[in-house]
Amino acid sequence: DAGVTQSPTHLIKTRGQQVTLRCSPKSGHDTVSWYQQALGQGPQFIFQYYEEEERQRGNFPDRFSGHQFPNYSSELNVNALLLGDSALYLCASSLKGQGLVYGYTFGSGTRLTVV
Amino acid sequence: SQQGEEDPQALSIQEGENATMNCSYKTSINNLQWYRQNSGRGLVHLILIRSNEREKHSGRLRVTLDTSKKSSSLLITASRAADTASYFCATDGNYGQNFVFGPGTRLSVLP
Repeated sequence: DAGVTQSPTHLIKTRGQQVTLRCSPKSGHDTVSWYQQALGQGPQFIFQYYEEEERQRGNFPDRFSGHQFPNYSSELNVNALLLGDSALYLCASSLKGQGLVYGYTFGSGTRLTVV
Repeated sequence: SQQGEEDPQALSIQEGENATMNCSYKTSINNLQWYRQNSGRGLVHLILIRSNEREKHSGRLRVTLDTSKKSSSLLITASRAADTASYFCATDGNYGQNFVFGPGTRLSVLP
């Protein structure tokens, strides 16, 4: 039973560029949440996708956008990258309505470095 | 602002000792969860405690919740070097969104 898969594992981008991160949820899960974790900090909620729509959003600018596909996989897009976007980006999956009750399954993350 | 705040920020103990980490939060919650993170990788769900529960056990883990004080503690008994990691508490609260994580406690278990 595959867990949450994220790609790529590491990425280096130049300031101003755009980046796309990908996530495949755990088998059987239909909801995907994205988190940003700066070095030494706790994860910060970016947004959540369910039924191919953004359902909830944290305090992140519109430069951060996402998408969910019919197979429940998801992408996180960040435009006009800033140095401050350097972080570990975590994807978490759950079954709708169950994440807040039973917890989430996290992927290993994508380490994004903006230079 | 973060809902949960862990204390201490860092903790160093010897193998075999017990480790206690605390979490304080600000608003009412439905449940509180503890996660572990090894070396900046993905988070692993450890245990969930509901607002109407006061204590919960899972193997060497013991979690308590005091809703009157808006605080929780995670106790790891008979620690092992493999327990070295960062530990985060996460609360749902009334923010109407996903879990809100604290900054974490970095635990080092020395052999």
